[in-house]
Amino acid sequence: EAQVTQNPRYLITVTGKKLTVTCSQNMNHEYMSWYRQDPGLGLRQIYYSMNVEVTDKGDVPEGYKVSRKEKRNFPLILESPSPNQTSLYFCASSLGRGGSEAFFGQGTRLTVV
Amino acid sequence: GESVGLHLPTLSVQEGDNSIINCAYSNSASDYFIWYKQESGKGPQFIIDIRSNMDKRQGQRVTVLLNKTVKHLSLQIAATQPGDSAVYFCAETNQGGSEKLVFGKGTKLTVNP
Repeated sequence: EAQVTQNPRYLITVTGKKLTVTCSQNMNHEYMSWYRQDPGLGLRQIYYSMNVEVTDKGDVPEGYKVSRKEKRNFPLILESPSPNQTSLYFCASSLGRGGSEAFFGQGTRLTVV
Repeated sequence: GESVGLHLPTLSVQEGDNSIINCAYSNSASDYFIWYKQESGKGPQFIIDIRSNMDKRQGQRVTVLLNKTVKHLSLQIAATQPGDSAVYFCAETNQGGSEKLVFGKGTKLTVNP
C-alpha cells in the first residue's frame, strides 16, 4: 500500500530538548516536504526536498533542520524546540515536481512545554 | 509576497446541491494549482490539479476552474454528499521556479442532510 509514515503521531516534550520526527515513503517519490498546520494559518511549508541531498527552505524554516540522505526518508529535526513550535506537522511526498499530487502522512501533533 | 487566500472561511450547503469553493492567488508566476481535502484528524488528500495552460479540468464530481486574468481558482463539487464535509485547501506553486508549495488558509465545507 502506498503510504507516507510519520513517527511519532503524538509527542510532548520540553523546551530545548532535541527531537526528530521521522518520515518515510514507499513510493519512490523524489519530492518530499514538511508542513506545519496552525489554526487560522493553514498549512505552511517548512522545508522541501526535490531529491536526495537536495533540500530548500519553505516559508517557515526557522528552528528546523532536515536531511535527505536517502530517497525514502526525510526527517525533521528540532535542535532546540520552543513553545511556538507547538503545532500539527505533516510530511508529504510526490512523484512530480512542485508537490504535484502529494501524498500526506497522518500528522504528528507536537506540544512543547 | 506570495500568498494564496480564500474568499470564504466556511460554506454550508444542502445535501445534493452543488458547492463552489473559491480561492484567490497573488503570484502571477504560479503555474500549477492543486485542491486538497482534509477530513478531521487526517492529512490533506489530493483532489484535483490544474496547470496554468488550462482554464478548466474535470474529475469525478469535481471541476476546477482557473482564471489567470483575475488570479482566481475555484473548486466545484457536484451533488454534494455528507462525505464531502471537510476543509478544502487550494495550493499554488511555480514548477518552473522555486517549486515551493503555498497553501491557502482553507474553507470548511459543511453538508447538511
